[in-house]
Amino acid sequence: AQTVTQSQPEMSVQEAETVTLSCTYDTSESDYYLFWYKQPPSRQMILVIRQEAYKQQNATENRFSVNFQKAAKSFSLKISDSQLGDAAMYFCAYRWGNEKLTFGTGTRLTIIP
Amino acid sequence: DAGVIQSPRHEVTEMGQEVTLRCKPISGHNSLFWYRQTMMRGLELLIYFNNNVPIDDSGMPEDRFSAKMPNASFSTLKIQPSEPRDSAVYFCASTIWGGPGELFFGEGSRLTVL
Repeated sequence: AQTVTQSQPEMSVQEAETVTLSCTYDTSESDYYLFWYKQPPSRQMILVIRQEAYKQQNATENRFSVNFQKAAKSFSLKISDSQLGDAAMYFCAYRWGNEKLTFGTGTRLTIIP
Repeated sequence: DAGVIQSPRHEVTEMGQEVTLRCKPISGHNSLFWYRQTMMRGLELLIYFNNNVPIDDSGMPEDRFSAKMPNASFSTLKIQPSEPRDSAVYFCASTIWGGPGELFFGEGSRLTVL
């Protein structure tokens, strides 16, 4: 069974600094998707970034980028120039084919003004 | 464009009552997922449908839970009878079968069973 592990329950970063959230996963598949979702206090689940496993290039969306290490089954999220609005729970998620999305336990990110 | 629409946003009920949560997926999406979020168990899949047909309901906790998708634009999750341990946020999400992979979530329904 696929599992997703986020080993950092909480992280904090100074506003305008850079922070990296860690995620590892376990799968025997070779082609799959990885995602980072953000859940602010409003509880809406918002897609931050996605990565297809067959692509070697790391995905980037503005201030958000990932470090995808397929062999190590690692998928970290880097947030540059942190802003107050980035404060939220961040969930790493895995999906194979049309199957369900499997989530990690989340990392609560606090931004220090 | 309208996203996934869930109702109600908040529901408070008493133990033993029937609860019905509703979901309207994004138009054109043909896969629909119901998730439950609690502090103890995190985000867990309850059931998902493809083209209105249930594909995997192994996450449905017990017979008190049932889900239906009578057409492409509507799904319900019913709990009867409800119990305090059912208190959680229930999310509906939709996507295109065979599409880019990400799920689009509704705002969730927070259920409190007293």
